[in-house]
Amino acid sequence: ETGVTQSPTHLIKTRGQQVTLRCSSQSGHNTVSWYQQALGQGPQFIFQYYREEENGRGNFPPRFSGLQFPNYSSELNVNALELDDSALYLCASSKTGQGSSYNEQFFGPGTRLTVL
Amino acid sequence: QKEVEQDPGPLSVPEGAIVSLNCTYSNSAFQYFMWYRQYSRKGPELLMYTYSSGNKEDGRFTAQVDKSSKYISLFIRDSQPSDSATYLCAMNTPGGSYIPTFGRGTSLIVHP
Repeated sequence: ETGVTQSPTHLIKTRGQQVTLRCSSQSGHNTVSWYQQALGQGPQFIFQYYREEENGRGNFPPRFSGLQFPNYSSELNVNALELDDSALYLCASSKTGQGSSYNEQFFGPGTRLTVL
Repeated sequence: QKEVEQDPGPLSVPEGAIVSLNCTYSNSAFQYFMWYRQYSRKGPELLMYTYSSGNKEDGRFTAQVDKSSKYISLFIRDSQPSDSATYLCAMNTPGGSYIPTFGRGTSLIVHP
């Protein structure tokens, strides 16, 4: 069973640029969630994708957008980067539809984004 | 006030000590309570989850939930240097798309 993978591992961008982060979900999982984790903080929910549609969104501006593909992999796009966007971006996959309100999320190793 | 409060530490203990990690929360609708462990430069991994109140034990780890006090704890017995990591509590309400609210994490250092 392949775990959640993310690319790239590290990324350095300058203010105003755009960035795309990628995530491959764990085998058999159909839901992907993205989180932002600033240094010394817990993960903050950005949004979730299920069946290629956005299925919930946290308190993040529209310049944070995403996609989910038919193979359940996902992208996170951030436009007009700001210094405060510097953080670890985590992707988590899960399997929705098991009939339980608790669906364990499996996290990838994250992409560390630095905005200069 | 944040929905989930967690002391960031660091908490430094000698090997073999019993460790107590805690979180408080304000949302009485939370029903699922999780503890994640996050090693440096890694994503969080689920250690344990508990539904509603009570205790749950798994090896050296025990999770406790006291909903009347809105307080959850994770105990680690016979702590090992390999337990050194950041421990994140998380919780969510039933139903919906399962989106947990995380605490900021407590950094634990177990020294030999």
